[in-house]
Amino acid sequence: DGGITQSPKYLFRKEGQNVTLSCEQNLNHDAMYWYRQDPGQGLRLIYYSQIVNDFQKGDIAEGYSVSREKKESFPLTVTSAQKNPTAFYLCASSHPGQGQETQYFGPGTRLLVL
Amino acid sequence: SQQGEEDPQALSIQEGENATMNCSYKTSINNLQWYRQNSGRGLVHLILIRSNEREKHSGRLRVTLDTSKKSSSLLITASRAADTASYFCATDAYKAAGNKLTFGGGTRVLVKP
Repeated sequence: DGGITQSPKYLFRKEGQNVTLSCEQNLNHDAMYWYRQDPGQGLRLIYYSQIVNDFQKGDIAEGYSVSREKKESFPLTVTSAQKNPTAFYLCASSHPGQGQETQYFGPGTRLLVL
Repeated sequence: SQQGEEDPQALSIQEGENATMNCSYKTSINNLQWYRQNSGRGLVHLILIRSNEREKHSGRLRVTLDTSKKSSSLLITASRAADTASYFCATDAYKAAGNKLTFGGGTRVLVKP
């Protein structure tokens, strides 16, 4: 089955703790994205990567970090500097280029603060 | 800030009725996409309309785009209970790199059986 997987489905963070959300895709897509969704709201872009070993900040990057060491993987770390991390986190991928602008989304990870 | 703003924020209809939702955006675009999200799940792509297109159909979906008004509408005909979901428009800004999308706040649609 081709697609995007995210793990875990639920994640709990303690005060001052860094946590890492996993995102893996087997669609052979070059570009990957991380979004944050708050209840009843739309998606806001945290980070995106157009190619391996390269990534750019989105609109709300403060308190988050990413890496892109492999084409298939784009993990997101929520650091202790993110003071309000409770949200639903969505990962997506796409194959940039004319005619292929659709983004494919994973099932999401819900992060809760203890 | 969000590029797209959906209207209405919420919509409740009976099964069999049509559902119409609108999206307005602020800057020039390459294309506009509509996505659907079931509660607590990821988004699923529905339809893409390019800036040089005015109308597009896919099954029970009809999308229009008016670039002069910077607005789009999504019509779901003969709605079913399974259409209950949130619907988001997303714009791909003109000359922007990386296929970055900017999402609106969504319209929550409830289709009552």
